[in-house]
Amino acid sequence: ETGVTQTPRHLVMGMTNKKSLKCEQHLGHNAMYWYKQSAKKPLELMFVYNFKEQTENNSVPSRFSPECPNSSHLFLHLHTLQPEDSALYLCASSQGPLGGTQYFGPGTRLLVL
Amino acid sequence: AQTVTQSQPEMSVQEAETVTLSCTYDTSESNYYLFWYKQPPSRQMILVIRQEAYKQQNATENRFSVNFQKAAKSFSLKISDSQLGDTAMYFCAFMKHVNTGTASKLTFGTGTRLQVTL
Repeated sequence: ETGVTQTPRHLVMGMTNKKSLKCEQHLGHNAMYWYKQSAKKPLELMFVYNFKEQTENNSVPSRFSPECPNSSHLFLHLHTLQPEDSALYLCASSQGPLGGTQYFGPGTRLLVL
Repeated sequence: AQTVTQSQPEMSVQEAETVTLSCTYDTSESNYYLFWYKQPPSRQMILVIRQEAYKQQNATENRFSVNFQKAAKSFSLKISDSQLGDTAMYFCAFMKHVNTGTASKLTFGTGTRLQVTL
């Protein structure tokens, strides 16, 4: 495995389900990010982790819960989502948050019914 | 707050031709970075090129080059010898430099959809 990987690639869930998105980076980076990409809107930064510590929560609803057990893994736990949460969720990593170039995973396409 | 504007929602270019994608940004920062990312139909966001604001020389990466005009806050991407594989959504992004341990965030434009045709 190289770069940044994300699983699953596609996910369909009901509004009462609980699911998790997984991201893993194989680049030796220490910062990881979650972004949301909706149609017709710019990418929105959701969360930032630096050395496993959350450094940014961009006013994300509590139905999205991130977890970063180590610098290589990042999770996004989902529960009681709304249809408007349907989007492409992208994970990224960088060597550090201080101007480091971010490298992205392939994304998880989420559909909330 | 920073804003990034891409005024061309869609563009088309013939194979082997040259195309320029426009990007302007607004910031009060003096030290920052600019990026172009491409997102093909596979949805993978791929770094194309990066420019440090303190560097006067325009960045180049094979067939990709930028025209960075700091005073005008303009950062256009030129793709030479366009190939079918260049078909993608192209995003311009801004990141300000921070000196502390806080997050350095990317601000993206809305993207330009480029279609390369035969």
